Amino acid sequence: KNEVEQSPQNLTAQEGEFITINCSYSVGISALHWLQQHPGGGIVSLFMLSSGKKKHGRLIATINIQEKHSSLHITASHPRDSAVYICAATASGNQFYFGTGTSLTVIP
Amino acid sequence: NAGVMQNPRHLVRRRGQEARLRCSPMKGHSHVYWYRQLPEEGLKFMVYLQKENIIDESGMPKERFSAEFPKEGPSILRIQQVVRGDSAAYFCASSPVLADTQYFGPGTRLTVL
Repeated sequence: KNEVEQSPQNLTAQEGEFITINCSYSVGISALHWLQQHPGGGIVSLFMLSSGKKKHGRLIATINIQEKHSSLHITASHPRDSAVYICAATASGNQFYFGTGTSLTVIP
Repeated sequence: NAGVMQNPRHLVRRRGQEARLRCSPMKGHSHVYWYRQLPEEGLKFMVYLQKENIIDESGMPKERFSAEFPKEGPSILRIQQVVRGDSAAYFCASSPVLADTQYFGPGTRLTVL
C-alpha cells in the first residue's frame, strides 16, 4: 500500500463543472503539496499546506489532519485545467511521498 | 528572477556511458531536490541537498548514482554506467528554506540506447 493514495486515477469533466480530487495519506506529515503536471511534462507547485484551507483563483485545497485527508477543488473547470494533479506528502525526516496522480481532462 | 534551470533538456546516452544532469536553483534558494519520473509512473524522490551537504539520499539507488551541490555552481546528478532502466525524466526543484514551496525545473529527459 502506498503512503499516499489519490482518487480518482482518471477524471473527465465538462467545462464549467466543479471538480474534486482526493488524497489520503498514512504517514505523519509536516506538509502536504499539490502539484500540477502539464502534458508537456512541466511541473508547477500549486499549494503547500499543513492545516486548514488555501485558495488561489479557481483552485482550493483543504486538509484535515485528523483524518489524514486532503482535497483539491477546481471551480468552473476549463479545458486548460487538463493536466495530471499530484498529491505529495513531506514527512518528518525529509521523506517525500507522492501519489500516483490524477489525470484530468476537461472537455469543452 | 529566473526560475529553476535544468540542462540539458534532453540527453541521449549509450549503455555504459555517464550522464551528468545539471540544476541551477532559483536565486536565493539553498535547498535542492531531485526527483525521477519513470515512463508511465509517478514521481519518486531521490535526494535532498543543501549547499555542500547531502541531507537525505534515501531515494537514491545505492550504486552508480551520486549528487552534489557545491558552494559555487549548479547541483549535479551523476549517473555512471547508465542502463536502459535509467531512461526517465529527472526533475530538480528548489526552495528557499526547508518545507517551503518547491519550484520545479523543466526536467531533463534521459534516454539510454
